[in-house]
Parts: sequence; C-alpha cells; structure tokens
Amino acid sequence: EVQLVESGGGLAQPGGSLRLSCEASGFSLSRYWMHWVRQIPGKGLMWVSHINMDGSIINYADAVKGRFTVSRDNAKNTLYLQMSSLRADDTAVYFCARDNYYNSGEHWGQGTVVTVSS
Amino acid sequence: DIQVTQSPSSLSASLGDRVTISCRASQNIATHLSWYHQEPGKPPKLLIYLTSTLQAGVPSRFSGAGSGTDFTLTISSLQPEDFATYYCQQTLSVPYNFGQGTQLQIK
Repeated sequence: EVQLVESGGGLAQPGGSLRLSCEASGFSLSRYWMHWVRQIPGKGLMWVSHINMDGSIINYADAVKGRFTVSRDNAKNTLYLQMSSLRADDTAVYFCARDNYYNSGEHWGQGTVVTVSS
Repeated sequence: DIQVTQSPSSLSASLGDRVTISCRASQNIATHLSWYHQEPGKPPKLLIYLTSTLQAGVPSRFSGAGSGTDFTLTISSLQPEDFATYYCQQTLSVPYNFGQGTQLQIK
C-alpha cells in the first residue's frame, strides 16, 4: 500500500526555519516526481514545489522561491522541504504528494501543520 | 503564470441530483487539467486528470470535459460521500495553480 507520512511541522518564529520530511512506503520514491502543496486551514490549495526523480529538476511557486528548498534522499525513500525566512503567511498544512506522471497528485500524505508566529 | 478560476464557489444540491462545476484557465492549457475532491480534515483525492481520464477507483458518476480554457466536472447522481469541496488544477506549466474551490453542500 502506498503511504506518505509528513513530519517536522510545528511552531516557528517569523524569520525562523523548519525542515519537513515526507517518508514514503509501499513504492520506490526514485521512480516518481514529487510535489509539496500547502493549505491554509479553511482555505484553498496552493502548489509549492516539485522535484524530479533524481533531484536535478526543481521548481517553486514565487511565494516561496529563494526561501524554501526541496530535496530528496531516494535511498531513504524520503522527501524534504527546508523552509527558512518563515513568514506568518507560510502558516498552513503542508502536504506531500506523489505525481502520477501527468503532473497531478495521485497519492497524498495526511499533512503536517506549520504555524509561524511570535 | 496560468490562473485558474472555478465557479460557482458554493453549490447546494440534493441526493441524486446532477451537478456541474466549471473551471476556466487564463490561457490555453489544451487538456492539462485535473480535478480533486477534499473532505474536511483530509488530504485531496485525485478524481480526474488530463481533463477526462478517471483515476483508478473513482466511480463512473464522475466525468470531466473541455479543452483549451473551459472545463467542467459533472457528477451524474449525487451520493452522500460527494458532499465536499472540489478543486481544479492546471497541470500544463509551473506553477500548477489550483482553482479557488467549489463547496458542494446538501440542500
């Protein structure tokens, strides 16, 4: 069974950093592009970033470019999102999702909550 | 960036009704559009990709149509589990923007 489990969320101060992890099981991470998507509670979805199979192609939404870094460790079957220079408007639930080869999120984790507040 | 606009933002319907949700892209995206369903407190679930291809396991009462800039999601006969929020997403070019969502409520 395909499973994605995010972790690493929590409370961070404005200007601070957090590192999210997304541990995959039931499939080989190395065979798939992966996405990060976030959602402010009660609001809509925002695509954050994606990364290709070997990490050589990465794209970001303008709102996080230069502050967030996506990476992956295929040997550990884990995806990461390093978040720095955090702002209040980064407060959201962060989901990782496995791509379906057509740029859509086929399988999703349950999400991890990030709160940026002093 | 390609913007995506959904309508309506909310919709009330009854069990067994046929409903249609619309999505418009700010430029031609051919058929690069996906639809998701999300229940409160849960992650989104992929329903349809490439405009009309049903994800494995999704009931056939869901269908998608369109091309270019105008797209629709139709649910032919509403079931209790269908009352949720629906999102479209353009998948042609990054950023893969989502629509604002359509909340489908029981009348």
